[in-house]
Amino acid sequence: KQEVTQIPAALSVPEGENLVLNCSFTDSAIYNLQWFRQDPGKGLTSLLLIQSSQREQTSGRLNASLDKSSGRSTLYIAASQPGDSATYLCAVGGRAGGTSYGKLTFGQGTILTVHP
Amino acid sequence: EAQVTQNPRYLITVTGKKLTVTCSQNMNHEYMSWYRQDPGLGLRQIYYSMNVEVTDKGDVPEGYKVSRKEKRNFPLILESPSPNQTSLYFCASSSLGRLAGLSEQYFGPGTRLTVT
Repeated sequence: KQEVTQIPAALSVPEGENLVLNCSFTDSAIYNLQWFRQDPGKGLTSLLLIQSSQREQTSGRLNASLDKSSGRSTLYIAASQPGDSATYLCAVGGRAGGTSYGKLTFGQGTILTVHP
Repeated sequence: EAQVTQNPRYLITVTGKKLTVTCSQNMNHEYMSWYRQDPGLGLRQIYYSMNVEVTDKGDVPEGYKVSRKEKRNFPLILESPSPNQTSLYFCASSSLGRLAGLSEQYFGPGTRLTVT
């Protein structure tokens, strides 16, 4: 069974700092990995999607990397802003033919606070 | 506008009274899924559907039913709700990518259910 772990559970940084969020997964037979943002009481917004054949994806100040063989992904946020404060979740999608096909397994999330 | 809608957004009910939470998407997505989110447990998948008339259990299917009679709709049915089903529920949809893997997930706004 796929298990996804996110470290740290919470992070508080001053505005302007660059930061890294970590996601690890136990089964490397994945189709892709997604990073989401969730604001309090709201739904999830997709940030970046990395296919299993890719090493990284970038969108604005966000960069996500994937090392499938070691079961790790990182989300790098450059020049953090107070508006980045939210919970960040990673989720792993199973590939066709695998035991997790059709399933999306989430980590517990990292609660990020960026203070002015 | 591409979106996933859920109704109702908030629901308070009593133990044993059957209820249905509706989910609809307008993106012609093949894949739809239901999750529940609980403090300390994160997001857990309840049921998912790869296409019309094709449904499968996620990690926590007990006490729930689903059906997929039309591509756009994927209702979640609680035949006899119990207090341990009090939770925040999310519906999501996506297309199926190359090799039938899951693509970017689009989430609904959530339904907060309280069972007394």
